[in-house]
Amino acid sequence: GQQVMQIPQYQHVQEGEDFTTYCNSSTTLSNIQWYKQRPGGHPVFLIQLVKSGEVKKQKRLTFQFGEAKKNSSLHITATQTTDVGTYFCADSGSARQLTFGSGTQLTVLP
Amino acid sequence: GAVVSQHPSRVICKSGTSVKIECRSLDFQATTMFWYRQFPKQSLMLMATSNEGSKATYEQGVEKDKFLINHASLTLSTLTVTSAHPEDSSFYICSARTVADTQYFGPGTRLTVL
Repeated sequence: GQQVMQIPQYQHVQEGEDFTTYCNSSTTLSNIQWYKQRPGGHPVFLIQLVKSGEVKKQKRLTFQFGEAKKNSSLHITATQTTDVGTYFCADSGSARQLTFGSGTQLTVLP
Repeated sequence: GAVVSQHPSRVICKSGTSVKIECRSLDFQATTMFWYRQFPKQSLMLMATSNEGSKATYEQGVEKDKFLINHASLTLSTLTVTSAHPEDSSFYICSARTVADTQYFGPGTRLTVL
């Protein structure tokens, strides 16, 4: 079955440094959605990418969808302590179910 | 954004008892809701898709007789963990899908089975 992998699994950064998490799939992704889950919380929808090569920005967050629709990335510029959490990518799939990536846990050191 | 509630947020029960978890979409109708399970420091694993007015679709490896799902209305789905055992202890999260195909997640229910 489809596997959606994310790297790195863990990332510690100093506040102000940049952060990137990568999402890779063994098969072509339908649509990519990104979620953020704070410790002890539930996933919160961030964005959806649909088109090949699409790039979207939300303030300090930049989301990219690969040209072949097999990978995606989330880049955070100048991290803040409020960025702490686990970031998941998810493929919406042909059955409109979400297949979640393994997640990247971000720790921001003040 | 859309709001999804879950009740209870936390439950502790004895082994062998059944636990019901409710998932409600508060400000929109959801023909489809999803139930996930998340173990500590792991990703969300889809358990089943709950469709209003029809039987739930379970993922491979999920026992439908153990995890009973009822989608009673366009705003309510329930998950009942029957005869719970310690290995069922987990974080259970529901989500509801909007017509725009976005999924909004409930706050989750932390189940501890003693």
